[in-house]
Amino acid sequence: QQQVKQSPQSLIVQKGGISIINCAYENTAFDYFPWYQQFPGKGPALLIAIRPDVSEKKEGRFTISFNKSAKQFSLHIMDSQPGDSATYFCAARGSGTYKYIFGTGTRLKVLA
Amino acid sequence: ETGVTQSPTHLIKTRGQQVTLRCSSQSGHNTVSWYQQALGQGPQFIFQYYREEENGRGNFPPRFSGLQFPNYSSELNVNALELDDSALYLCASSFGNGLITDTQYFGPGTRLTVL
Repeated sequence: QQQVKQSPQSLIVQKGGISIINCAYENTAFDYFPWYQQFPGKGPALLIAIRPDVSEKKEGRFTISFNKSAKQFSLHIMDSQPGDSATYFCAARGSGTYKYIFGTGTRLKVLA
Repeated sequence: ETGVTQSPTHLIKTRGQQVTLRCSSQSGHNTVSWYQQALGQGPQFIFQYYREEENGRGNFPPRFSGLQFPNYSSELNVNALELDDSALYLCASSFGNGLITDTQYFGPGTRLTVL
């Protein structure tokens, strides 16, 4: 079964620092890569997403970097804030399908 | 534009019982997917409904079943509950054509506890 491997499992960052979360996938049959943010007791909320024909996408303090040849993509959170403390999931959609595979999540804590 | 809503918020059942969870999709969306999220894990795809029919299923047994209604709302039914069914059940709605869907938007989830 296709997998998406996410790291690190947990991350502690000082306020104002950069948070970096990485994901790697096997096979190449994915065509859409969203990142979700989830607060305790809530459902995942779409944060930012990228397609494989683009190497980078930036929205505010959030940036996705995509390396197609390495089959890796990462989320960068600039100027991290305590309000960013949440669990982050990467995901990948099978090409031409509706099936999303999720990573195992990264619990981010930003210290004030 | 209304978001995805789910009910109930929390539910406690005993092993062997049956449960029904409900989801109202976001306005303009015609596709509903259900996910199971165990504690500390990412969401696992259960199945997807499009035009009131199941059009894809993950690695879940037949005791997990669902329905989609003409207004695109959906139900997830689980029979013969097992302890391992304890999880957060997430509904995600999107717009699609049965083969591919656009971005999924998740509801807040239903926390199911099986004793």
